[in-house]
Amino acid sequence: QKEVEQNSGPLSVPEGAIASLNCTYSDRGSQSFFWYRQYSGKSPELIMFIYSNGDKEDGRFTAQLNKASQYVSLLIRDSQPSDSATYLCAVNVYGQNFVFGPGTRLSVLP
Amino acid sequence: DTAVSQTPKYLVTQMGNDKSIKCEQNLGHDTMYWYKQDSKKFLKIMFSYNNKELIINETVPNRFSPKSPDKAHLNLHINSLELGDSAVYFCASSQGFRGLFSNEKLFFGSGTQLSVL
Repeated sequence: QKEVEQNSGPLSVPEGAIASLNCTYSDRGSQSFFWYRQYSGKSPELIMFIYSNGDKEDGRFTAQLNKASQYVSLLIRDSQPSDSATYLCAVNVYGQNFVFGPGTRLSVLP
Repeated sequence: DTAVSQTPKYLVTQMGNDKSIKCEQNLGHDTMYWYKQDSKKFLKIMFSYNNKELIINETVPNRFSPKSPDKAHLNLHINSLELGDSAVYFCASSQGFRGLFSNEKLFFGSGTQLSVL
């Protein structure tokens, strides 16, 4: 069974702080990695993707990938109350379908 | 234009009924999916389908059946609905299939909240 694991949270951070979300995966064949944001009652929305080891930045979001340690993380700088949502980590494995983690609920406190 | 659209948004029905959820994508993608999201927000794949291959998650009851009239549509038909079928069902699509393209991405429809009474 291919697994993707995340802390379920909730993770609470004050407004303006850095939120750090972590994800580990079990399949070394995983080739691409995604972060989806899901607001309550809405569908998952792709916010970041990363394929290579290292960091990838997009605005206030930074995705970090370490294939040797089999983890991927998402940093949200200057967190805003509007960032409060569930963040889903997903991996794409050659020969498999996308696999999702259980999600981490983030709460940004004003 | 909505990239992946599904209808209805809400579906309330009685146990034992048969119902369908429709999905359409205008992204030109080759692969479509159905996911089930339970009350704990866990997204679990039910089916993936492209024009050549249907992959069924072995845990999905055979009361659930996908039907694809063409590449842009993948409907979900459910027979003999049970209380445990209550969940949110998401349609999704991607360009590739089973990780064929390392850069393929998954896009979701808006979801159908199914409530079985």
